[in-house]
Amino acid sequence: SAVISQKPSRDICQRGTSLTIQCQVDSQVTMMFWYRQQPGQSLTLIATANQGSEATYESGFVIDKFPISRPNLTFSTLTVSNMSPEDSSIYLCSVDPGQAQGTQYFGPGTRLTVL
Amino acid sequence: QKEVEQDPGPLSVPEGAIVSLNCTYSNSAFQYFMWYRQYSRKGPELLMYTYSSGNKEDGRFTAQVDKSSKYISLFIRDSQPSDSATYLCAMSALDTGRRALTFGSGTRLQVQP
Repeated sequence: SAVISQKPSRDICQRGTSLTIQCQVDSQVTMMFWYRQQPGQSLTLIATANQGSEATYESGFVIDKFPISRPNLTFSTLTVSNMSPEDSSIYLCSVDPGQAQGTQYFGPGTRLTVL
Repeated sequence: QKEVEQDPGPLSVPEGAIVSLNCTYSNSAFQYFMWYRQYSRKGPELLMYTYSSGNKEDGRFTAQVDKSSKYISLFIRDSQPSDSATYLCAMSALDTGRRALTFGSGTRLQVQP
């Protein structure tokens, strides 16, 4: 498995501002993912962030709203831009270490509240 | 229709009970099936994974997959208050070249002491 940390753990932000969430892994991994988990709901994949290539976004998510950086094999950032209250959610990063079964390991999440 | 359906609960059981958690799915391409446990205000933690059909046991936990019915289960024996959490099923279809997981909505379990 991998040990994953996220910063910040929580934040309260004003409408129209942006927040950058950091994800740090204790080992080198090619594949990282960013998810959103709205209250009482499941995880929804925002994008896949592989080192050395542009992030791939899922339907309903766009780069202008959720720009992602992946500068190396242990770090990634997700920015939530021009926030609205609908962006209030938990944001999770995960890594796929390339095991045969495709399991992923998750960070603790960033709890975002937009006022 | 969602690709993966999971009863959200909450499911409340007394300590020591056997718990059965279930998911159904519609995509026959799913091959790997996982269960994650998520405590309040924490990220999901991998419990078990199984490949294709069959059973897998790990301590008090047993995962079961029936691909013909597109139905998976997680059984918890001798449930403990520390098992109180949300349990998420997840699936992958690696043969399609896609490594992203598809999650159920999670079942909230409460084990009463």
